[in-house]
Amino acid sequence: KNQVEQSPQSLIILEGKNCTLQCNYTVSPFSNLRWYKQDTGRGPVSLTIMTFSENTKSNGRYTATLDADTKQSSLHITASQLSDSASYICVVFTGANNLFFGTGTRLTVIP
Amino acid sequence: ETGVTQSPTHLIKTRGQQVTLRCSSQSGHNTVSWYQQALGQGPQFIFQYYREEENGRGNFPPRFSGLQFPNYSSELNVNALELDDSALYLCASSLGTREDTQYFGPGTRLTVL
Repeated sequence: KNQVEQSPQSLIILEGKNCTLQCNYTVSPFSNLRWYKQDTGRGPVSLTIMTFSENTKSNGRYTATLDADTKQSSLHITASQLSDSASYICVVFTGANNLFFGTGTRLTVIP
Repeated sequence: ETGVTQSPTHLIKTRGQQVTLRCSSQSGHNTVSWYQQALGQGPQFIFQYYREEENGRGNFPPRFSGLQFPNYSSELNVNALELDDSALYLCASSLGTREDTQYFGPGTRLTVL
């Protein structure tokens, strides 16, 4: 069964601290994996796209990793800011219009 | 800003009514996908349109229907609304159907009473 599981479900960290969000998937075949940031009541915004051959990709303070062998990905946020408070969604694409969403990790950054 | 716009922002309907949601794609994008996102859940794929033709559909009943126009803007129509249809409806546009970044709109919050 094609599934995308994210952990933790929610996370609270102090401003300035780092955190890592996890995504495990059983989706096959695999085309690419994307991390999105979604503010409450808003549409998701793409952070990174990773294909099978990519292990690490950075976008500012966001760094995503991918291990295609173990079917795991992580999103590391460095020096968190209050504006990082949002849901982070991992999405796995099989190609064409087949995609599978995780339920997200709700991150809250507190001062 | 992604360049994808949706209207209306919020909408309240009653059970049994019909609703039309609209999406304007990012300039140059010929593909639009619609998603339903219930509170606290990840988005669920409804369907995708590519160059005005339906190009795939998720596990949604026929009362969910769509259109894509020559300018690649799109509509999502839902008939016979049910309480469980209350959700954030997202559209995402992209250039092509594969390997392309989808740009999401801000969503339409539909409440069915």
